[in-house]
Amino acid sequence: GQNIDQPTEMTATEGAIVQINCTYQTSGFNGLFWYQQHAGEAPTFLSYNVLDGLEEKGRFSSFLSRSKGYSYLLLKELQMKDSASYLCAVMDSNYQLIWGAGTKLIIKP
Amino acid sequence: SQTIHQWPATLVQPVGSPLSLECTVEGTSNPNLYWYRQAAGRGLQLLFYSVGIGQISSEVPQNLSASRPQDRQFILSSKKLLLSDSGFYLCAWTPGGASGANVLTFGAGSRLTVL
Repeated sequence: GQNIDQPTEMTATEGAIVQINCTYQTSGFNGLFWYQQHAGEAPTFLSYNVLDGLEEKGRFSSFLSRSKGYSYLLLKELQMKDSASYLCAVMDSNYQLIWGAGTKLIIKP
Repeated sequence: SQTIHQWPATLVQPVGSPLSLECTVEGTSNPNLYWYRQAAGRGLQLLFYSVGIGQISSEVPQNLSASRPQDRQFILSSKKLLLSDSGFYLCAWTPGGASGANVLTFGAGSRLTVL
């Protein structure tokens, strides 16, 4: 079966760096997405990786290793507004999105 | 620019009552439209998707149905709600006619509580 694994919850301190990992096993691969979802709100797109390596967007970076079935989202200079759930999703060979359950990130002052 | 509207935002319904959630997209033509459900502690579950008027694909057999009466309108319905239908429902769209991986843009969501 197809599976996406990510930690359920993480805690970090304001101003610090946090890395949220995602491992996947899917039927084929057509890219990996990261979304941010604040409590009670809709997910919003953060990043898309289809080739190995690091994609940087301001304070957020996303890394992909297709051979390892692994990605991480790196958040730098954490701010209180970064408290949210972070969803990892993989597009399989049929262009269907497989979603992880999300990682709830708690930022402490 | 494109916008997606979804309503109602919150709904409390008794078991056995009907349901209608509506979603509209503005600023684009022939979008691909999706209905997802999000349960606590679980990944987003695709319920229905549509690539055009009257074209609905169901991913999960259940007591829900979807319709697309107009190009940019997508409706999620039920004739008789079950307790297990409670959850957070999200409408989303991607550009139509485009191949490959496309970014989903979500509506604000509808929180349904069935009592």
